[in-house]
Amino acid sequence: DAGVIQSPRHEVTEMGQEVTLRCKPISGHNSLFWYRQTMMRGLELLIYFNNNVPIDDSGMPEDRFSAKMPNASFSTLKIQPSEPRDSAVYFCASSLGATDTQYFGPGTRLTVL
Amino acid sequence: KQEVTQIPAALSVPEGENLVLNCSFTDSAIYNLQWFRQDPGKGLTSLLLIQSSQREQTSGRLNASLDKSSGRSTLYIAASQPGDSATYLCAVQGDYKLSFGAGTTVTVRA
Repeated sequence: DAGVIQSPRHEVTEMGQEVTLRCKPISGHNSLFWYRQTMMRGLELLIYFNNNVPIDDSGMPEDRFSAKMPNASFSTLKIQPSEPRDSAVYFCASSLGATDTQYFGPGTRLTVL
Repeated sequence: KQEVTQIPAALSVPEGENLVLNCSFTDSAIYNLQWFRQDPGKGLTSLLLIQSSQREQTSGRLNASLDKSSGRSTLYIAASQPGDSATYLCAVQGDYKLSFGAGTTVTVRA
């Protein structure tokens, strides 16, 4: 199994631009999570999907952030417009069930200038 | 809100010494507790998962204990090696949500 796949691995963009991060979960996993990691706040859950349905998006910081999961094998996290304070590492994770071990992708390092 | 604390924040030991990493949490109503390893610029690798009904879990040189009533977990790494150098994160799971500690950064000196 290839594990959780994220793209791109690195993204550098200018303030105001739209950014789209992509995730392919492990096949057969029905739970998908987006996290953000910063030095100041550590790892924070942004949104949780179960069977492609958003269950908890209370961690999404602002309306500039949106996430979709059109099918069981693909999810996107979009930031529009991006701001310098969005600079962070964004991780996608998946698990068989909601309380099972979460497997993390390699992350996308986002830099907003 | 669940608060997870890891002490110490950083640790440096000579090769061969045993490592002891501590994690404490404020809400004992958890499903499980997980220990992760994170290498610089990389994702998180799950090391051990302890169910709330368990007291400990072992994998090779790693042993993790859980005392849910006191809100504590300890990760022991026996006979440390330079390859063990990384940041170790503790995470407690309540329902689907993982609450992470800030991590302990370990350096094992050859």
